[in-house]
Amino acid sequence: EVQLVESGGGLVQPGRSLRLSCAASGFTFDDYAMHWVRQAPGKGLEWVSGISWNSGSIGYADSVKGRFTISRDNAKNSLYLQMNSLRAEDTALYYCAKDTGAGVVGGAFDIWGQGTMVTVSS
Amino acid sequence: SSELTQDPAVSVALGQTVRITCQGDSLRSYYASWYQQKPGQAPVLVIYGKNNRPSGIPDRFSGSSSGNTASLTITGAQAEDEADYYCNSRDSSGNPVFGGGTKLTVL
Repeated sequence: EVQLVESGGGLVQPGRSLRLSCAASGFTFDDYAMHWVRQAPGKGLEWVSGISWNSGSIGYADSVKGRFTISRDNAKNSLYLQMNSLRAEDTALYYCAKDTGAGVVGGAFDIWGQGTMVTVSS
Repeated sequence: SSELTQDPAVSVALGQTVRITCQGDSLRSYYASWYQQKPGQAPVLVIYGKNNRPSGIPDRFSGSSSGNTASLTITGAQAEDEADYYCNSRDSSGNPVFGGGTKLTVL
């Protein structure tokens, strides 16, 4: 079964850090680009970051550039998001999503996890 | 604000046809993909590329594009199609971007 399982969310104070993980199974992980997409409570979807199959191409939304770092470990079939200097506006459900292609540009997101909630509050 | 514009809400009578649209300059160069999201659930890809449906998506869902507008058409809408629908393409930097979403009500 093709599956993505996120973990690492929680309640964190503004300015602190958090690391999200996404464990992939059921497909050849290192054939595809991967992404993080978030959804604030009651709001729409927002692309956060993406990474190509071999980590050679990485992109970030302007809202997180310089604060968040995406990475992947193909040997462990895992995707990560290091989130630093967190703000209240980063509060959201964070989804891990598989791309239909190998690069960051051009694909669609065909497999989604159930998400992990990040709440930034004092 | 999103570079892809969607109507916030659309309604359709049960069994009728509905078109959900997405506008943006990037759609002149890139195909849109479409996602269905029901309350409390993760998004599901329903259309991608020129007009491709992933396995398991009913053939009543179809996609099309003209100029700066992409459309998702549901032919013979069912009660279970009531959901939020999001389009996705690229922004001016080439990064993925989502539309604001359309809430579909099936009457």
